[in-house]
Amino acid sequence: GAGVSQSPSNKVTEKGKDVELRCDPISGHTALYWYRQSLGQGLEFLIYFQGNSAPDKSGLPSDRFSAERTGGSVSTLTIQRTQQEDSAVYLCASSLALSASGAHEQYFGPGTRLTVT
Amino acid sequence: KQEVTQIPAALSVPEGENLVLNCSFTDSAIYNLQWFRQDPGKGLTSLLLIQSSQREQTSGRLNASLDKSSGRSTLYIAASQPGDSATYLCAADSGGGADGLTFGKGTHLIIQP
Repeated sequence: GAGVSQSPSNKVTEKGKDVELRCDPISGHTALYWYRQSLGQGLEFLIYFQGNSAPDKSGLPSDRFSAERTGGSVSTLTIQRTQQEDSAVYLCASSLALSASGAHEQYFGPGTRLTVT
Repeated sequence: KQEVTQIPAALSVPEGENLVLNCSFTDSAIYNLQWFRQDPGKGLTSLLLIQSSQREQTSGRLNASLDKSSGRSTLYIAASQPGDSATYLCAADSGGGADGLTFGKGTHLIIQP
């Protein structure tokens, strides 16, 4: 079956512009995660969605970052007024709904490589 | 705050060798631990997930163990092959999923033909 898809695969933008990154999770997966992978920094958790529930935004790096999930499926991560330090690979993952034993296996998309010039 | 460390940062071995990758975490109150591989320019591929109540999981030539009390996990790769060359990441779920996974920085593995 289809895995997690992300678009675009690559995005080059000028400093100060806004960008939108899209994630389409695996069908039937109600949990969706965004992570950022910066060179030398490792993978950093940004935000989590469970179905249509309002997410905890405390993991987002700044108020220039926002995310939404429409209809409990597709999610978009928006970065306003991009800065050079926003350059990174943005990865999306999905899984089945959380249970009492914690999260299920997370499946990752191929990522969007964002370069801010 | 959970911190995950992976040792070694890089490893190069001849084909056919058995090898062990190490992962340690500071907060033993985890729900599960997951091992991934990442190929250059690609996303992450899940290899194994160990629930906190389990001691090990096996998939083919891979075996992952978990010792919560000591805050350690190991990934054992048997009879290594050049196709195993990748970066291996371990990640701890400390918040039941809602806090995402906390990742180590990975072990860059090269298997020499």
